[in-house]
Amino acid sequence: DGGITQSPKYLFRKEGQNVTLSCEQNLNHDAMYWYRQDPGQGLRLIYYSQIVNDFQKGDIAEGYSVSREKKESFPLTVTSAQKNPTAFYLCASSINRGSGETQYFGPGTRLLVL
Amino acid sequence: DAKTTQPNSMESNEEEPVHLPCNHSTISGTDYIHWYRQLPSQGPEYVIHGLTSNVNNRMASLAIAEDRKSSTLILHRATLRDAAVYYCILRRETSGSRLTFGEGTQLTVNP
Repeated sequence: DGGITQSPKYLFRKEGQNVTLSCEQNLNHDAMYWYRQDPGQGLRLIYYSQIVNDFQKGDIAEGYSVSREKKESFPLTVTSAQKNPTAFYLCASSINRGSGETQYFGPGTRLLVL
Repeated sequence: DAKTTQPNSMESNEEEPVHLPCNHSTISGTDYIHWYRQLPSQGPEYVIHGLTSNVNNRMASLAIAEDRKSSTLILHRATLRDAAVYYCILRRETSGSRLTFGEGTQLTVNP
């Protein structure tokens, strides 16, 4: 089945440690995105990539890093510089054809800093 | 991106129609109106989108005001599985593929 997978579903991290969240898609989509969601809030864009080997900062990129070495993969690293990393992280992808196309979301990863 | 305004919450009864409003008075001519919904503990899913004309699909209908300053998402017969947060989002052509989520409307469906 085509879709977006995120792993793990739950992730625990000790304060001061970096952690990498996985996002893989087999939809052959050009564009991929990372969002963060805090309780009771909407999604906020962290980073996005419209093509392999290129990515742009979103609205809250500080303390995060990404790479896009392959079309199907867009891992997100939450660094120790991120002051409040506990949140629900969502990955999405879309065909990059303009503002009419839809985004497809993965199931999300809940990160908890201990 | 232009801002949207939605009620924080709405309630409906099962098998009745639901009309979810969205105001977007600063919409520009190239802004598409998108609706997504998010079920508890899941990622958002696409519902419908439009530019000027009303749109229908298997999930819902989108009614767009003639001046495009507001729109309404219509669920024709609400089910318990429609209980979710519904987001109305404007996407400007010049901003590429970005979606800017507000806080949405929490829809409760009563049995």
